[in-house]
Amino acid sequence: NAGVTQTPKFQVLKTGQSMTLQCAQDMNHNSMYWYRQDPGMGLRLIYYSASEGTTDKGEVPNGYNVSRLNKREFSLRLESAAPSQTSVYFCASSEAWDRVNEQFFGPGTRLTVL
Amino acid sequence: ELKVEQNPLFLSMQEGKNYTIYCNYSTTSDRLYWYRQDPGKSLESLFVLLSNGAVKQEGRLMASLDTKARLSTLHITAAVHDLSATYFCAVVRNFGNEKLTFGTGTRLTIIP
Repeated sequence: NAGVTQTPKFQVLKTGQSMTLQCAQDMNHNSMYWYRQDPGMGLRLIYYSASEGTTDKGEVPNGYNVSRLNKREFSLRLESAAPSQTSVYFCASSEAWDRVNEQFFGPGTRLTVL
Repeated sequence: ELKVEQNPLFLSMQEGKNYTIYCNYSTTSDRLYWYRQDPGKSLESLFVLLSNGAVKQEGRLMASLDTKARLSTLHITAAVHDLSATYFCAVVRNFGNEKLTFGTGTRLTIIP
């Protein structure tokens, strides 16, 4: 059981480049999430997907797009990267129908935009 | 808008001492979570608190929730070096709306 996996682990981009961060979970969870973490701050929700086929904006969605490819996979795309998007990105998943609905986090992707 | 505040932001304490981290939130909430994060690592779930008066304990850590005061505490008993980490609380507004709002974290350093 790998839990939540993310690729890549590290990435350096130049301003204006695009890239997609991949996330997969093997816990059969319905809900998946993308967060960003900036130094000295807690995590902020970018987008989430309550179930396969649905996505919704979180607190900081500007500059990002997402795709819920299937129940296992949820990708985050930066169409035109900006230095302000330098951050650590975490994917998480949870079973939303469970009253506890604990979110399980992936190892993170450390992104630097020059 | 739901806001979550933690204090202190930084805490340096000696081994063997007790201390408490506080988490205040601004509106009614259905659930509160505590997470631990080691430097350069992901988040590890510690506790889920579901109702007023809930208390959970694991080893030297104990978390409690007072929904009327909109306050949760994470109490550390007889601290040991292994507890050095950043601790986050996070709040869900209500069941069915699963957006987590995180506090800014408390960086805890245990000094031998």
